[in-house]
Amino acid sequence: DTEVTQTPKHLVMGMTNKKSLKCEQHMGHRAMYWYKQKAKKPPELMFVYSYEKLSINESVPSRFSPECPNSSLLNLHLHALQPEDSALYLCASRPGGDTGELFFGEGSRLTVL
Amino acid sequence: KQEVTQIPAALSVPEGENLVLNCSFTDSAIYNLQWFRQDPGKGLTSLLLIQSSQREQTSGRLNASLDKSSGRSTLYIAASQPGDSATYLCAAPKTSYDKVIFGPGTSLSVIP
Repeated sequence: DTEVTQTPKHLVMGMTNKKSLKCEQHMGHRAMYWYKQKAKKPPELMFVYSYEKLSINESVPSRFSPECPNSSLLNLHLHALQPEDSALYLCASRPGGDTGELFFGEGSRLTVL
Repeated sequence: KQEVTQIPAALSVPEGENLVLNCSFTDSAIYNLQWFRQDPGKGLTSLLLIQSSQREQTSGRLNASLDKSSGRSTLYIAASQPGDSATYLCAAPKTSYDKVIFGPGTSLSVIP
């Protein structure tokens, strides 16, 4: 199983809503990632969890709140978002350590009204 | 400080041509370098991963090389097909092996 599964595939929310994006992998990977991607731009790193601890936060606004409940799951909690936060949110995982291939999910397309 | 760039930004070729995509990075002390393809609105598919100790990797019609001393990697696609049309991105770690960042990508169009 080399899959990273993201749900939901599409999400529309208002600026006052609270929602969550979910990501799951069963490859035993110990590093999990959230990236944000706008149209015709490369993915931008948001957060990295390494061995279930937040290791990298790329100065992301607090309206995005990551959570890693266990080694297979990664959530991104969304609250009070702005229309400019509309984007494709990509989850990825890798084995951990200094080598290892990065695997991506299909992404969650978020639209903020 | 790691910066990743890609040339060209866009490329259009007739079917059957061999082509080369370029990726440059500023910090030669990389752990690895990975090439991806992305179809519109989709996630990223890993094509090839080159470890820092390797010079090249091959998968089918794809061959990626790595020259750490010059800060360059190339992705060679042989006998291009319309199904190869996609955006190709390279990625390398920055400051720590967990902090994987992407180049801006090359948009490839293969014309039947």
